[in-house]
Amino acid sequence: ETGVTQTPRHLVMGMTNKKSLKCEQHLGHNAMYWYKQSAKKPLELMFVYSLEERVENNSVPSRFSPECPNSSHLFLHLHTLQPEDSALYLCASSQFPRTGNNEQFFGPGTRLTVL
Amino acid sequence: RKEVEQDPGPFNVPEGATVAFNCTYSNSASQSFFWYRQDCRKEPKLLMSVYSSGNEDGRFTAQLNRASQYISLLIRDSKLSDSATYLCVVNPRGPQGSSNTGKLIFGQGTTLQVKP
Repeated sequence: ETGVTQTPRHLVMGMTNKKSLKCEQHLGHNAMYWYKQSAKKPLELMFVYSLEERVENNSVPSRFSPECPNSSHLFLHLHTLQPEDSALYLCASSQFPRTGNNEQFFGPGTRLTVL
Repeated sequence: RKEVEQDPGPFNVPEGATVAFNCTYSNSASQSFFWYRQDCRKEPKLLMSVYSSGNEDGRFTAQLNRASQYISLLIRDSKLSDSATYLCVVNPRGPQGSSNTGKLIFGQGTTLQVKP
C-alpha cells in the first residue's frame, strides 16, 4: 500500500545531529498528523495540520519542529534530541475537515534511535 | 483517569474461539470511535468505525454504549491471522468553543494471540 509513505524507515542519530523525517500522502486528504509510539505506551499525538495550518501542538518540546509546505507533504525536523526520544514516529492523514470523517490512515513509520 | 482505557491482555485463545475486547473513554462528548489493528512493528490500520447502532463486518462486531462510555469489539471464529494488538480509538471533543481538529486518542491496545 502506498497511500501514506514515510522516509527514512530507520534512522540512527547522535544527540548533536540535525535530521528530518518526511511524510507524503497520496490520498487527496486535507489533514496530516505526527504521532510518537514508544515501547509499551499508547500512540501520542504530537502535531496536527489541517489545510496546511498547524491546529494542534501537544506540548511537544521545541527540539521537534514540524513543517507542512502543502497538503500532501509533512516534515518533522529534529535537532539536539535525547535518548528518550527514541521511538517509532508515525505520520497519518485524513479527509477531515473537508468531511466529518476523521478516519486516519498511517504511514509505515520511521524507527528512530538516538545515541 | 486515562482518556481511553483498555485491558492490555494478552488474550490467548484457540482457533475458532469467540473473543471480546472492551474499552472505556472519559470524554462524554466524544464524537467518533474506531477500532484499529496493529501488527508487531507495523503501523496501525483501521479495522472498523463504531456506530451508535452497532455495526458488523464479517466476523467482527463493534458496539457503542454512550451512556456508559463503553466500546466493545467481538471477534467470532478466531483465525491465526487475527493475532495482533487491537487499539480502541476516540475522537474527543475539545474545550467548549474550540473547533474539532480531528485528533484521535488511542488506548494502549489489547494483545490477542490465537493459537492453533
